[in-house]
Amino acid sequence: NAGVMQNPRHLVRRRGQEARLRCSPMKGHSHVYWYRQLPEEGLKFMVYLQKENIIDESGMPKERFSAEFPKEGPSILRIQQVVRGDSAAYFCASSQDRNQPQHFGDGTRLSIL
Amino acid sequence: GQQLNQSPQSMFIQEGEDVSMNCTSSSIFNTWLWYKQEPGEGPVLLIALYKAGELTSNGRLTAQFGITRKDSFLNISASIPSDVGIYFCAGPLRVNAGNMLTFGGGTRLMVKP
Repeated sequence: NAGVMQNPRHLVRRRGQEARLRCSPMKGHSHVYWYRQLPEEGLKFMVYLQKENIIDESGMPKERFSAEFPKEGPSILRIQQVVRGDSAAYFCASSQDRNQPQHFGDGTRLSIL
Repeated sequence: GQQLNQSPQSMFIQEGEDVSMNCTSSSIFNTWLWYKQEPGEGPVLLIALYKAGELTSNGRLTAQFGITRKDSFLNISASIPSDVGIYFCAGPLRVNAGNMLTFGGGTRLMVKP
């Protein structure tokens, strides 16, 4: 999984706080995808971004969740007013274009107290 | 979105045995992907299949794209302890979804030395 960098690797928040998860894609990749994985389950697609644009956010919860991929810097997945059900592993993947294979980071494990 | 069902959910085998797992869908897929995920890491792509009937190998791993385009199989020959992990099938979330993927629930493989 070298290349796609996610941080932090582990994040603990109390209910009501904000969580910010960062993803730096592989060099030369301008397409970023975020997925969520609950324990004992497969990954669920959340959002697909290109530089400065949200291409598809059909998997994002309607409230409290947002994502961005600015011209400079990493992609950010933001969760406002976190609740216990937000506890999960969040994975980012990147690709060179929408049809080239995507490479995954090692995820951020979010725990809500 | 399209959904994928994997079986078995888990397997506990002896080192040296061959392993077979499968993935089915109620709808047609034009791409099948097989990933392996180890604890604390993101999924790593093992094999990609793009054509019905295609049989592709990667070392001791062989995957097939079912003729009906509604299933795929992954076989591991002569298993070794480092094969331990969760194996996921994945495919496009919907037609023309590109890299936006839907994942099966995974097959957890345990290998006894």
